[in-house]
Amino acid sequence: DTGVSQDPRHKITKRGQNVTFRCDPISEHNRLYWYRQTLGQGPEFLTYFQNEAQLEKSRLLSDRFSAERPKGSFSTLEIQRTEQGDSAMYLCASTKTGGWYEQYFGPGTRLTVT
Amino acid sequence: AQKITQTQPGMFVQEKEAVTLDCTYDTSDQSYGLFWYKQPSSGEMIFLIYQGSYDEQNATEGRYSLNFQKARKSANLVISASQLGDSAMYFCAMEAGGTSYGKLTFGQGTILTVHP
Repeated sequence: DTGVSQDPRHKITKRGQNVTFRCDPISEHNRLYWYRQTLGQGPEFLTYFQNEAQLEKSRLLSDRFSAERPKGSFSTLEIQRTEQGDSAMYLCASTKTGGWYEQYFGPGTRLTVT
Repeated sequence: AQKITQTQPGMFVQEKEAVTLDCTYDTSDQSYGLFWYKQPSSGEMIFLIYQGSYDEQNATEGRYSLNFQKARKSANLVISASQLGDSAMYFCAMEAGGTSYGKLTFGQGTILTVHP
């Protein structure tokens, strides 16, 4: 069990550029979550997958955001036409289904939009 | 909708003493789970402890215990024998049943500083 991994750990981009983040969950976990955390705040839910199905999206997830989880393994989160307000830490978490299980978080991807 | 409130932006404690971090919650669901996570300055979220809404006994995990008062909708974290490594941001979170199943709602967090 290598834990949840995220890539890249840091991303600096210019406003208007597209960025893509990757999350690799713990292998036996079929639920995968994306959260966004701004400085001094708690994480906010963005979206989650059960296997390859995207089951819920937050209203925070504008049309510029898209997430995929092909084959129910790793997931990608893409932000198109980035804005300065997108600067945040993007956290990925995974868990099992079937009860109340803790979510295991990855180290996060810190996005800075200049 | 679920809501978590942490009213203490910052707390200070002397090493080896106990400290209580407050958390109140609001939900209309009868079935829910309450979690505490620790976030050191390095940024990773570390799971500490879990309490289910139907659990009659307060959860404990080593030096961590959760003071669950269902009628008051509070789920305070108690850290006993504080250590310097406990200095971090602490988040209370809720996972409710129904359509919110699986999604965590977090509070604003409390920064804990442990003094030697």
